[in-house]
Amino acid sequence: EIVLTQSPATLSLSPGERATLSCRASQSVSSYLAWYQQKPGQAPRLLIYDASNRATGIPARFSGSGSGTDFTLTISSLEPEDFAVYYCQQRSNWKWTFGQGTKVEIK
Amino acid sequence: EVQLVESGGGLVQPGRSLRLSCAASGFTFDDYAMHWVRQAPGKGLEWVSGISWNSGSIGYADSVKGRFTISRDNAKNSLYLQMNSLRAEDTALYYCAKDKTAGVAGNAFDIWGQGTMVTVSS
Repeated sequence: EIVLTQSPATLSLSPGERATLSCRASQSVSSYLAWYQQKPGQAPRLLIYDASNRATGIPARFSGSGSGTDFTLTISSLEPEDFAVYYCQQRSNWKWTFGQGTKVEIK
Repeated sequence: EVQLVESGGGLVQPGRSLRLSCAASGFTFDDYAMHWVRQAPGKGLEWVSGISWNSGSIGYADSVKGRFTISRDNAKNSLYLQMNSLRAEDTALYYCAKDKTAGVAGNAFDIWGQGTMVTVSS
């Protein structure tokens, strides 16, 4: 099973700052990586698929990069509504796994 | 409007069974793979099971393999999860999710329901 490790566990930033979230896979997942945002009491929302493609309706301040085992989600300038938990996800054959999440909190 | 609505959750004793349902609307259900994802209280997301558009391919997390069975009825636009031999560690909010890619299982889930809570306790 491919394990995804996200870092840091918590990121404390102020609105307007840049957020950089990392996701590392235990073996190559090519570009089969997605990122989700989850706010308290809500279902996850797809942000990025195939490592770097923004999902429908996702603002341009969200961007994804990487391939193989190392991936990054960048939020260029944090808006108040961006403070949430972010998960990465990979697919390998017919198994999907999620990272443990990174919480982006207000500093 | 594209929508997924889960039902069937509740309180169940350890060792008993429960069947979850997910009703889909607003898209061509039989074009897409579908998934179940769960989230224990205060914890992260865990993929549980997925099924291809025609039920020809199915996958399970190791934690539920042999106990849970996923199925779908394309005529009823519905997805199911039969959960047997339930354990306390199966306690979670269970989400139904739509695969983003038509025809084959893709790499992301673009539509999620609001979830149905399953509590396993005596």
